[in-house]
Amino acid sequence: KAGVTQTPRYLIKTRGQQVTLSCSPISGHRSVSWYQQTPGQGLQFLFEYFSETQRNKGNFPGRFSGRQFSNSRSEMNVSTLELGDSALYLCASNPGSGNKETQYFGPGTRLLVL
Amino acid sequence: AQSVTQLGSHVSVSEGALVLLRCNYSSSVPPYLFWYVQYPNQGLQLLLKYTSAATLVKGINGFEAEFKKSETSFHLTKPSAHMSDAAEYFCAVSEGPGGYNKLIFGAGTRLAVHP
Repeated sequence: KAGVTQTPRYLIKTRGQQVTLSCSPISGHRSVSWYQQTPGQGLQFLFEYFSETQRNKGNFPGRFSGRQFSNSRSEMNVSTLELGDSALYLCASNPGSGNKETQYFGPGTRLLVL
Repeated sequence: AQSVTQLGSHVSVSEGALVLLRCNYSSSVPPYLFWYVQYPNQGLQLLLKYTSAATLVKGINGFEAEFKKSETSFHLTKPSAHMSDAAEYFCAVSEGPGGYNKLIFGAGTRLAVHP
């Protein structure tokens, strides 16, 4: 099976712009989670989608949003970008059966905000 | 709330030496615990996980970890380090019932292996 794919891999934006990142989960996986990784804050959970519904949300401002499509692909959007949004954004998928399930991570999208 | 503490942000070992990466967790419910590895410019790869079966868990690449409830620990070990083990390692706990697939990560430990 193909792994989790994320596009684009690298992105440069300026403050105030918005950005959309895409994630395609492993075939058959219904849960997609998003994480932000920065040197200062480490790995932080953004949100999780399951069957097109947001099932869990981390402590991020409303500028961070996401959605999931019927084929389980997911997008996350960040509006009004700030310098502090520069990070590696990781997407993870799993079958969605419960907490014991392994999260399979994609390679990430590295976002640089200038 | 659950949390994870990884002692030592940097660990350096010689090739062939024992690798020990420490992880302590805080949880009010039986936790599910994970160790992930991250190589430069890559995502996270699962090494092993504890899901309340055997307390000694064996993973990929010769790694293993032991769940010790009394010490709230889940330390990662490997008997003999290899140069290819140089990477960053993350311990994570899966939030309890209702937390679905939310992972709470430790700050990470960067492992250096020198000849």
